[in-house]
Amino acid sequence: GDSVTQMEGPVTLSEEAFLTINCTYTATGYPSLFWYVQYPGEGLQLLLKATKADDKGSNKGFEATYRKETTSFHLEKGSVQVSDSAVYFCAPLVGGATNKLIFGTGTLLAVQP
Amino acid sequence: DTAVSQTPKYLVTQMGNDKSIKCEQNLGHDTMYWYKQDSKKFLKIMFSYNNKELIINETVPNRFSPKSPDKAHLNLHINSLELGDSAVYFCASSQDRKTEQYFGPGTRLTVT
Repeated sequence: GDSVTQMEGPVTLSEEAFLTINCTYTATGYPSLFWYVQYPGEGLQLLLKATKADDKGSNKGFEATYRKETTSFHLEKGSVQVSDSAVYFCAPLVGGATNKLIFGTGTLLAVQP
Repeated sequence: DTAVSQTPKYLVTQMGNDKSIKCEQNLGHDTMYWYKQDSKKFLKIMFSYNNKELIINETVPNRFSPKSPDKAHLNLHINSLELGDSAVYFCASSQDRKTEQYFGPGTRLTVT
């Protein structure tokens, strides 16, 4: 069945470090791919998306590229800030007529000053 | 001017009670959803409505009943609450079934 595997957290980095959070998925066809971010005590915010192979989604310094060959959508940021501390979710949109997001387990990122 | 809003934000109640959570979106979207997030942050879809029609009904106890009076509203009613229902419930909406979803702030339900 459809599934998504995300890098286990927590990930602890120092400010200005490089971030990678790995995400791979199993799905029929070529789903649209999303990264969501959840700050403490808040709802999920759409961070970026990609809808077809080789698309690169980007927002707020974060990037992720839709890799069809490896069914991956890794999240990267060149220089993290303390304010980036949050839980990050990878989510493909699967299912045809009854499209639904399936979420990874979430990766907690803690950035220290 | 909140895009997706939910009420209440917190809900504390006793086992056996019946409660409702309300959701409204002002984005003009056609599709709305309910998700449950457990204590380990795992998120799972419960229901989805498209133009007031139920299109996704995951394996959810029938104590949970969604109702969509119009495209902008999707409410969740829960009967005979159990301890295991304690979670954060998120409402979301999207333009259609193939586009990105926008989430509300969540309702933290605690059943004692």
